Amino acid sequence: AQSVAQPEDQVNVAEGNPLTVKCTYSVSGNPYLFWYVQYPNRGLQFLLKYITGDNLVKGSYGFEAEFNKSQTSFHLKKPSALVSDSALYFCAVRDSSGDTGRRALTFGSGTRLQVQP
Amino acid sequence: NAGVTQTPKFQVLKTGQSMTLQCAQDMNHEYMSWYRQDPGMGLRLIHYSVGAGITDQGEVPNGYNVSRSTTEDFPLRLLSAAPSQTSVYFCASSYRAYSRTTLNQETQYFGPGTRLLVL
Repeated sequence: AQSVAQPEDQVNVAEGNPLTVKCTYSVSGNPYLFWYVQYPNRGLQFLLKYITGDNLVKGSYGFEAEFNKSQTSFHLKKPSALVSDSALYFCAVRDSSGDTGRRALTFGSGTRLQVQP
Repeated sequence: NAGVTQTPKFQVLKTGQSMTLQCAQDMNHEYMSWYRQDPGMGLRLIHYSVGAGITDQGEVPNGYNVSRSTTEDFPLRLLSAAPSQTSVYFCASSYRAYSRTTLNQETQYFGPGTRLLVL
């Protein structure tokens, strides 16, 4: 079974400060990891993913995430937060050793990021 | 490309009514899926399809049916709506990676969602 934990329901940060949204995962094989962002009344937008290769992954809108296999983490980061980054962020995982046909993503419960001006 | 489209955007049903949520994609993606989003629970997989004519159950399939007669369309049917099916429904699609060299194509793209209220 695969699972994702996002331990913080909400993260508050001042504009211009660095932000981190935490994610830890559990899979039996190697993980494929994703971050999605959801703005109010909108669908999920893909931010970035880790499939293989460099542990530091750069994505859209200046976001990046670091894959840490020993800590089973994939925290989302940004050096300088913007008010427009305020949204709901989801971490998701898929076990690479599972049935590739199923392609099922397991999502975390989401973290609401609030960036104050 | 329109990407992944969903209709309707919002629907109110009475308990016991049936309806079909529509999903279409114009990216020639083999893989399509339906998720439901409930507060504090993230997204949960309802059904998925790896190609036309092939469907299978996800994590929470009860009360829902799907079919995949074309590559483009993947409708979700509620047979007899219940208040527990009040949720936001998202459709997603992606390429199907056949080898490690195509793994980077497997990002799932989501539609804008259908908000369903069952009274």
